[in-house]
Amino acid sequence: MVMTQSPATLSVSPGERVTLSCRASQSVSTNLAWYQQKPGQAPRLLVYGASTRAPGIPARFSGSGSGTEFTLTISSLQSEDFAVYYCQQYESWPPVTFGQGTRLEIK
Amino acid sequence: EVQLVESGGGLVQPGRSLRLSCAASEFNFDYYAMHWVRQAPGRGLEWVSGISWNSGKLGYADSVKGRFTISRDNAKKSLYLQMNSLRAEDTALYYCVRDEGFYYVWGQGTLVTVSS
Repeated sequence: MVMTQSPATLSVSPGERVTLSCRASQSVSTNLAWYQQKPGQAPRLLVYGASTRAPGIPARFSGSGSGTEFTLTISSLQSEDFAVYYCQQYESWPPVTFGQGTRLEIK
Repeated sequence: EVQLVESGGGLVQPGRSLRLSCAASEFNFDYYAMHWVRQAPGRGLEWVSGISWNSGKLGYADSVKGRFTISRDNAKKSLYLQMNSLRAEDTALYYCVRDEGFYYVWGQGTLVTVSS
């Protein structure tokens, strides 16, 4: 099972809306999670079940998709959102697989 | 506070062994499967291994199969990773994570450096 994220890097301005993509090589139903990682920190769960926000995650983060195509949308980028984002499939283990990550940079 | 605390990392020569530990607190440890996830410097996340709540199901990434062994002690609320025949490419920050399919609870990681 391969998870492919696109793009690898995205340069955006604060306040913009951004959409990150994740594609699975085979269907994972909605067993898809998104994580945010900032330098020096462990990843933080943002979304699970493809579209359910984790506790404490702001409403500007939303996930969608099923099967093999998924997106994470940030409706209005805040300064604290510049980070690396990973998708993860958990259809069944072993193995668990992550995408290679999308880096959000300040434009 | 729900917490996972890893330990046991360090600098080790290629071919040697190391044992990582993860201590869990403030949740029913024996209710959850537990996994190890690693991150090489400047790289992405890589799943390493997982163990079911009762140790009846074990899984390993192809990159570590035959060299690493995962185990747990529910009485001690602890997870372990025995790493043998270490290679330079095993250099990474190793995270202990609580499995709910997704990973809501992460430790802070323990750094393993394999170098001569």
